Amino acid sequence: AQTVTQSQPEMSVQEAETVTLSCTYDTSENNYYLFWYKQPPSRQMILVIRQEAYKQQNATENRFSVNFQKAAKSFSLKISDSQLGDTAMYFCAFMKHVRRGDDKIIFGKGTRLHILP
Amino acid sequence: DAGITQSPRYKITETGRQVTLMCHQTWSHSYMFWYRQDLGHGLRLIYYSAAADITDKGEVPDGYVVSRSKTENFPLTLESATRSQTSVYFCASSEPRWAGVGGELFFGEGSRLTVL
Repeated sequence: AQTVTQSQPEMSVQEAETVTLSCTYDTSENNYYLFWYKQPPSRQMILVIRQEAYKQQNATENRFSVNFQKAAKSFSLKISDSQLGDTAMYFCAFMKHVRRGDDKIIFGKGTRLHILP
Repeated sequence: DAGITQSPRYKITETGRQVTLMCHQTWSHSYMFWYRQDLGHGLRLIYYSAAADITDKGEVPDGYVVSRSKTENFPLTLESATRSQTSVYFCASSEPRWAGVGGELFFGEGSRLTVL
């Protein structure tokens, strides 16, 4: 069974600093997707970034980038120039890429990130 | 309005009562999911559905029942609520990744359920 581990329950950084959130996963699959979702205090879940395992290039979305290490099964999220609006719970998630009818996505327990003014 | 809506947003019930949480999406997405969110556990998958009349268990299905007679609706029923089912429940939908859209989940706003 696939598992997703986020080893940092909570983090705090000063505004404008760079912060890295860690995620590791366990799978025997070769093709899969990885995601980072953000949940601000409003509770709404928002997709931050997505990585396809067969792509070697790390995904980036503006200030958000990932460091995808397939062999190490590691998928960390880097937030550059952090802003107060980045304060949220961040979830790492995994979806395997095997066959039709089995697109379930498994989440880690989350990292609560506080951006301090 | 387009999107995914859950109802009720807040519900208080008593142990042993039946509760149904509703989920409706307007995108005609193939997949629909129910997750529960608890402190220290993150999001755990309860049930999911690949299409109308096709459902499957997730990580924590015990005590829950789902149905999907129409593509746009995916209700979650707690047949006999227990205190351990106090949680925030999220419904989500997506297109399958083989459709070329990468499997992004679109979430509802959540339903907070308290079982006394």
